[in-house]
Amino acid sequence: NAGVTQTPKFQVLKTGQSMTLQCAQDMNHNSMYWYRQDPGMGLRLIYYSASEGTTDKGEVPNGYNVSRLNKREFSLRLESAAPSQTSVYFCASSLSDGRAGELFFGEGSRLTVL
Amino acid sequence: DQQVKQNSPSLSVQEGRISILNCDYTNSMFDYFLWYKKYPAEGPTFLISISSIKDKNEDGRFTVFLNKSAKHLSLHIVPSQPGDSAVYFCAAGTSGTYKYIFGTGTRLKVLA
Repeated sequence: NAGVTQTPKFQVLKTGQSMTLQCAQDMNHNSMYWYRQDPGMGLRLIYYSASEGTTDKGEVPNGYNVSRLNKREFSLRLESAAPSQTSVYFCASSLSDGRAGELFFGEGSRLTVL
Repeated sequence: DQQVKQNSPSLSVQEGRISILNCDYTNSMFDYFLWYKKYPAEGPTFLISISSIKDKNEDGRFTVFLNKSAKHLSLHIVPSQPGDSAVYFCAAGTSGTYKYIFGTGTRLKVLA
């Protein structure tokens, strides 16, 4: 049971470089999410996709773009990385079948921007 | 503006005693609340949830209490075990939006 899979697990970038974090879920969930975790800041929502074909901004969307490629995949892109984007990024998914429900998280992607 | 707040960054409890983790929220539209546990280098894992139509939900050693008038929820762990040492996050969402906001977390240390 893979659940939520994120790639890569680790990445080092230089300021100004771009990269895409990939996320896939195999639970046939409707909603997918990207969070970042920083010390003292908890988990902050970057973007989410309530259902296939929709995306919405979360709490900290600036500097990021997302693509809900299909029901399984939700990618997060940094067009021009900045040191402030050094963080651990978590992808999550939720069934969202009309009722609120739990989120299932991936193992995280640690990104360092120099 | 932080909509979900966990005002205690850390908590230490003796093994076998009760751990009480607190969470406050400001948005009265929130109607579903979750607690997650997170170990280092792992993703958060779901513990327990509660909807706004209830004021208490139990699952084994874990109980969540919701006080809607105070916009406050708490997680009780009884008895606490060393394996419970982790960071605990509360989260809140609104039915129909599927958007969940997390708090800043409380690091629980259970002392053997």
